[in-house]
Amino acid sequence: SYVLTQPPSVSVAPGKTARITCGGNNIGSKSVHWYQQKPGQAPVLVIYYDSDRPSGIPERFSGSNSGNTATLTISRVEAGDEADYYCQVWDSSSDHPDWVFGGGTKLTVL
Amino acid sequence: EVQLVESGGGLVQPGGSLRLSCAASGFTFSSYWMSWVRQAPGKGLEWVANIKQDGSEKYYVDSVKGRFTISRDNAKNSLYLQMNSLRAEDTAVYYCAREGPFAGSDPFDYWGQGTLVTVSS
Repeated sequence: SYVLTQPPSVSVAPGKTARITCGGNNIGSKSVHWYQQKPGQAPVLVIYYDSDRPSGIPERFSGSNSGNTATLTISRVEAGDEADYYCQVWDSSSDHPDWVFGGGTKLTVL
Repeated sequence: EVQLVESGGGLVQPGGSLRLSCAASGFTFSSYWMSWVRQAPGKGLEWVANIKQDGSEKYYVDSVKGRFTISRDNAKNSLYLQMNSLRAEDTAVYYCAREGPFAGSDPFDYWGQGTLVTVSS
């Protein structure tokens, strides 16, 4: 089955830029979605189709996807961005297609 | 306003059964694929199953195949997850989530608040 690899943790100072990666075999050929989850809350979609932002998500959130790595970039990081972030793709390569999530990355704002 | 409200979680013994429900409102339920996603305590998200608008297609993660059954009742705007032969490793918060009109493309744009399932003796 398809595997998505995320770093367990990323730390960044307020006002700086955080980059969270999501690695997968030829992930650039797939559409990647990103979710933010704060403690005790349901996940929230922050980036879809690699780089689109849902309404209500700040422009500070952006995404890219190429080759074997997709990246979620958060510019001018704020304390409120501290959360777990998950990437997601649809894997239709096998005889039983399914959704796959990355293991998640905990973003810590220093 | 789109709302998804899960119910049916609780404590169950290993080998037991539980049926989760998700009541949907604020959108045309019958127009969307729907999914169940779970999250074990302190762990990441794991997709469990999804179902097509008319129930004619269903997909499951390998670990629940043959034990869990996803279904829906469009007349009641409700999604279900029948869980049988439960194991300790099924302990998790279970979320229902809305996909899009097409399988495997659109993101999960709305999620419920989750319902906790605990499998323990």
